[in-house]
Amino acid sequence: AQSVTQPDIHITVSEGASLELRCNYSYGATPYLFWYVQSPGQGLQLLLKYFSGDTLVQGIKGFEAEFKRSQSSFNLRKPSVHWSDAAEYFCAVGAPNQGGKLIFGQGTELSVKP
Amino acid sequence: SQTIHQWPATLVQPVGSPLSLECTVEGTSNPNLYWYRQAAGRGLQLLFYSVGIGQISSEVPQNLSASRPQDRQFILSSKKLLLSDSGFYLCAFAGTESGANTEAFFGQGTRLTVV
Repeated sequence: AQSVTQPDIHITVSEGASLELRCNYSYGATPYLFWYVQSPGQGLQLLLKYFSGDTLVQGIKGFEAEFKRSQSSFNLRKPSVHWSDAAEYFCAVGAPNQGGKLIFGQGTELSVKP
Repeated sequence: SQTIHQWPATLVQPVGSPLSLECTVEGTSNPNLYWYRQAAGRGLQLLFYSVGIGQISSEVPQNLSASRPQDRQFILSSKKLLLSDSGFYLCAFAGTESGANTEAFFGQGTRLTVV
């Protein structure tokens, strides 16, 4: 079955520290992978996406993610977290040319300590 | 530019009342349209999607229905709301340009509370 797992429900990091949010997927074909961020009560904003090519992708707000096929992972990273990064982060997987038909993980809530 | 509008932002409805949430897209033609629901503490679950006017696919059995009366309009409805229909509803669209690998763009969501 197709699924996305985000093992960490809640993570707290200090401002300025590095961040890694984990995402593992189960998908029968080559996946299209996405990371979205959601502020409280808001819609989702796309941080970055992977369709093909270079397995390290850069996104907005200083985020990057690395696709590792052998590990079925697409972890999100940021070298230095800012207080404004506090939000919920969702990993999602989809099929080619079906950009909106996504399977989402449960989300990881990020808190940032001053 | 492409934009998506979703309303209302919040809604409190009694059990058994009808529901109509509306979503419109601008700046693109023939988009794929989607309704997702986000329950508290959970990820997003795809409820309906549409690839064209009048074409609706349902992903999960439920008390809700969807319609697409115009190319860029997507409506989520219910005849009689249940308590379990409470949640955060998100509309999304994805472009369908030939050869494009597109992503989904989401509306700001509607917080529905059924009381």
